[in-house]
Amino acid sequence: DTGVSQDPRHKITKRGQNVTFRCDPISEHNRLYWYRQTLGQGPEFLTYFQNEAQLEKSRLLSDRFSAERPKGSFSTLEIQRTEQGDSAMYLCASSTTVTGGKGSGNTIYFGEGSWLTVV
Amino acid sequence: QQPVQSPQAVILREGEDAVINCSSSKALYSVHWYRQKHGEAPVFLMILLKGGEQKGHEKISASFNEKKQQSSLYLTASQLSYSGTYFCGTEMMKSGNTGKLIFGQGTTLQVKP
Repeated sequence: DTGVSQDPRHKITKRGQNVTFRCDPISEHNRLYWYRQTLGQGPEFLTYFQNEAQLEKSRLLSDRFSAERPKGSFSTLEIQRTEQGDSAMYLCASSTTVTGGKGSGNTIYFGEGSWLTVV
Repeated sequence: QQPVQSPQAVILREGEDAVINCSSSKALYSVHWYRQKHGEAPVFLMILLKGGEQKGHEKISASFNEKKQQSSLYLTASQLSYSGTYFCGTEMMKSGNTGKLIFGQGTTLQVKP
């Protein structure tokens, strides 16, 4: 069972340039998430998809950010006109449903992350 | 809404035990625990669903008190490989079964020989 795969792992870009990250989730996981993490902080939720539908976007996701998941398989996260404040690790995750207790939940597995440095 | 973790840091000797706590002011649907090593992605440890259950994985276990909106992670007979930063990720009841997690600030655990 391959894990969540992200590409590129590292990206250095000049301010104002556009960047795109790709994520391949664990096969048969129908939910896919994007999180962002800065040094010393926990991951912050950005957006998630169920199949090809984008169901929720965080207020952190400005108009410069766009995510897609065509055909419900891989996903891309594009950042336009990058700013220095965009420097972070962008984490993709996918989930499978587990049941227990009084309900069901999503076991979320993260990829290795894509490090973005804006200079 | 961010859960509060305690302690912020802990140093152990191999073989010692530790407890990491995670507390929320909001009603929780689930609690997720992760371990992250420097420069790497968070690694899933366990999920606790509402129902106050306790789950275990080898020498790492956790509990979830849904009345108090608190979860605790128990590390017994710690090993060097346990070193890292532990995050709890909480799913609010209002978010339901979405997988939208709000993470605590992390607890840094260092295990020394």
